[in-house]
Amino acid sequence: GAGVSQSPSNKVTEKGKDVELRCDPISGHTALYWYRQSLGQGLEFLIYFQGNSAPDKSGLPSDRFSAERTGGSVSTLTIQRTQQEDSAVYLCASSPQSASRGNEQFFGPGTRLTVL
Amino acid sequence: AQSVTQLGSHVSVSEGALVLLRCNYSSSVPPYLFWYVQYPNQGLQLLLKYTSAATLVKGINGFEAEFKKSETSFHLTKPSAHMSDAAEYFCAVSGTGNQFYFGTGTSLTVIP
Repeated sequence: GAGVSQSPSNKVTEKGKDVELRCDPISGHTALYWYRQSLGQGLEFLIYFQGNSAPDKSGLPSDRFSAERTGGSVSTLTIQRTQQEDSAVYLCASSPQSASRGNEQFFGPGTRLTVL
Repeated sequence: AQSVTQLGSHVSVSEGALVLLRCNYSSSVPPYLFWYVQYPNQGLQLLLKYTSAATLVKGINGFEAEFKKSETSFHLTKPSAHMSDAAEYFCAVSGTGNQFYFGTGTSLTVIP
């Protein structure tokens, strides 16, 4: 079976432009996470979706960041008016259930975003 | 609240030598603890996890980790390093709530 996929793998954009990053989780996984990984840093939690519940947006760094998950499957992370500090690798992960039950997260390969 | 601290952002070992990557955690509830590995230009892959069963956890590729509550530690070890072990290693904790908390990672270099 396919793992978590993300597109594009690389994105270069100019400061001030909007970008959309896509994540296709493993089929049947109800939990979906977005993380940001900056150079030399750990993974920064951004947002969490669980089934049809309201997402946990507590990690979004500013109102320029938003995400949605359509039909409980594909998710899109949108960054508006990108800034140079947004340059990072954006990782998506899915899990059969919530992480609070100690369930493994399955990660995609990430999207490397570069803001010029 | 939960958090993890990984001591040593870079670790170098000779091929065939012991690998020891350190992780200390903080958690107000019994934690679930994880080690993930990230190879260049790839996502994270689970090495092993502790979920309150056996305190010595064996994972893939010959790695293991021991949960020590008294020391709030979950160090990762491998008896004999292989060149293919060169990667970034992340410790993570989850407990209450929805989030995982990841450490800042340890880059392992294996010297031939």
